[in-house]
Amino acid sequence: AQSVTQLDSQVPVFEEAPVELRCNYSSSVSVYLFWYVQYPNQGLQLLLKYLSGSTLVESINGFEAEFNKSQTSFHLRKPSVHISDTAEYFCAVTPGAAGNKLTFGGGTRVLVKP
Amino acid sequence: GAVVSQHPSRVICKSGTSVKIECRSLDFQATTMFWYRQFPKQSLMLMATSNEGSKATYEQGVEKDKFLINHASLTLSTLTVTSAHPEDSSFYICSAIYRVTTDTQYFGPGTRLTVL
Repeated sequence: AQSVTQLDSQVPVFEEAPVELRCNYSSSVSVYLFWYVQYPNQGLQLLLKYLSGSTLVESINGFEAEFNKSQTSFHLRKPSVHISDTAEYFCAVTPGAAGNKLTFGGGTRVLVKP
Repeated sequence: GAVVSQHPSRVICKSGTSVKIECRSLDFQATTMFWYRQFPKQSLMLMATSNEGSKATYEQGVEKDKFLINHASLTLSTLTVTSAHPEDSSFYICSAIYRVTTDTQYFGPGTRLTVL
């Protein structure tokens, strides 16, 4: 079984400042890791994912996440946020090649202030 | 690509009635679809996994007779909330696995159900 912990339930940040959302997981098998973003009253959109290979993955809108196996972490970062980045962010894992059932963290609400 | 739609986006119904929610993969074939429930300001809770042409697999604690799932084709899964009660009010989200690459779930926009 897997579990995911997002250490911060809410992160206020000023526009153009950097942000880091922390995600730690536990699993007895190798995992695939995902970050999803949810805007108010909408479904989830895939932001980025790590399956294998380079431990640093990037999204098209400036986010990046680094897989750290020794620390079992997959923190999400953005060097300069915009007002439009205000949303809920979910970290999630699947048991890699062993299956595709997602286990979600509790979510982190990012509030970007002008 | 990999677009998933849900219909309706919002529904209000009276207690005791049944409500059907559709989940469609618009531009790909989905071998597997998932149904989630999300309470306000909370994470997603997996309700069931649906494979085309077979019975859904429900998570522990989810009543299969109350939440009927049908996955009749590779592009359509339906969730029917039977004899709905106010405590069934929630945000229901589906997702689908792309047949060729099975590592990523693509999510629908969600359906807000309110039971009066």
